[in-house]
Amino acid sequence: QVQLVQSGAEVKKPGASVKVSCKASGYTFTSFGISWVRQAPGQGLEWMGWISAYNGNTNYAQNLQGRVTMTTDTSTTTAYMELRSLTSDDTAVYYCVREGQGGLYVYFQHWGQGTLVTVSS
Amino acid sequence: DIQMTQSPSSLSASVGDRVTITCRASQSISSYLNWYQQKPGKAPKLLIYGASSLQSGVPSRFSGSGSGTDFTLTISSLQPEDFATYYCQQSYSTPRTFGQGTRLEIK
Repeated sequence: QVQLVQSGAEVKKPGASVKVSCKASGYTFTSFGISWVRQAPGQGLEWMGWISAYNGNTNYAQNLQGRVTMTTDTSTTTAYMELRSLTSDDTAVYYCVREGQGGLYVYFQHWGQGTLVTVSS
Repeated sequence: DIQMTQSPSSLSASVGDRVTITCRASQSISSYLNWYQQKPGKAPKLLIYGASSLQSGVPSRFSGSGSGTDFTLTISSLQPEDFATYYCQQSYSTPRTFGQGTRLEIK
């Protein structure tokens, strides 16, 4: 079965960077892209961007351009999301998500367990 | 960016009730609309994709309808495990955007 296992919780100071990992298993890694979605405490879901595990192409949310980098390592079937210049507004649970596709439709089918990133001085 | 607006933001209902949640897109998204359920401390779970297709393993009391800009999620007979927060999400274009969520509470 498809599994996405994320790295553990992080506490960072303002201005620092964080890198969250997402180990995928149970499917052919290069056949599906990985999206990252975050959720601030008590808030809704925010799509951060997407990376193709096939060729590394990326598509980032405009509001995070320049601060976020998504990468994959096909040898270890792991996706990474790095976020720089952290502020308290970046405190959130970060999810990696593998898309699914039914006909023309794409959806967020498989979710990691989430990684809490806390930004605090 | 396509804005997704859900209503209501919160809803109180009883076990056995029929409940409808509405999602409106700021422009036409055809049927590129998905619904998710999220329980506290858990990742969201896909319920409906393509506006009306039930994800495998999801109970048939959940149904979705709509196209263009207006969509609904209906739970035909609420069960205790259905009390959660529900999100719509468009997959018509990037950035992928979500509604703000509808919190379904026990009356």
